[in-house]
Amino acid sequence: NAGVTQTPKFRVLKTGQSMTLLCAQDMNHEYMYWYRQDPGMGLRLIHYSVGEGTTAKGEVPDGYNVSRLKKQNFLLGLESAAPSQTSVYFCASGTDYGYTFGSGTRLTVV
Amino acid sequence: AQSVTQPDIHITVSEGASLELRCNYSYGATPYLFWYVQSPGQGLQLLLKYFSGDTLVQGIKGFEAEFKRSQSSFNLRKPSVHWSDAAEYFCAVGVPGGSYIPTFGRGTSLIVHP
Repeated sequence: NAGVTQTPKFRVLKTGQSMTLLCAQDMNHEYMYWYRQDPGMGLRLIHYSVGEGTTAKGEVPDGYNVSRLKKQNFLLGLESAAPSQTSVYFCASGTDYGYTFGSGTRLTVV
Repeated sequence: AQSVTQPDIHITVSEGASLELRCNYSYGATPYLFWYVQSPGQGLQLLLKYFSGDTLVQGIKGFEAEFKRSQSSFNLRKPSVHWSDAAEYFCAVGVPGGSYIPTFGRGTSLIVHP
């Protein structure tokens, strides 16, 4: 089925560990986004990309890095995880006419 | 820059009752407007969207929304709520041909009593 696929779905990290979240879309969308969702905070944009090879900072970029080497993939990296990065992470792709979300990655940093 | 306000954090309705979720936006022209629903443990699913034309738009699952330019609003409605509608609802604004970044409201949590 067409859509946005996020891997992994769940992960527990120790403080200071690193990891990469993968987002893949098969809809040929130019725009891709990484959000985090925390209780009472809604969706907060971490980084986004408007095309292959481009990335930009969103509202809460500190502690995260991203890459978009291929149009269909958008990677989110945590170089040194902190407990404050415990959250649910959502990837989305889209156009001006709407956005498709992945099912999320629940990350716990202990 | 555009902004979105969802004034209600929580809404509680009885099953079978009508529903209206409020959304107000701030933008200098007519934006693109969206409503998304998030069921527990799931990602966001698009319910409906407005770009131009008829100000009353129909969506999936029996939802509709009305764009009112004079009130800068895009309220979501459903005539009869089902228990399965319990979820988080997000209003979003996009800028035509513009900033690439949709702006989401903080969300409204819908609780449905039997």
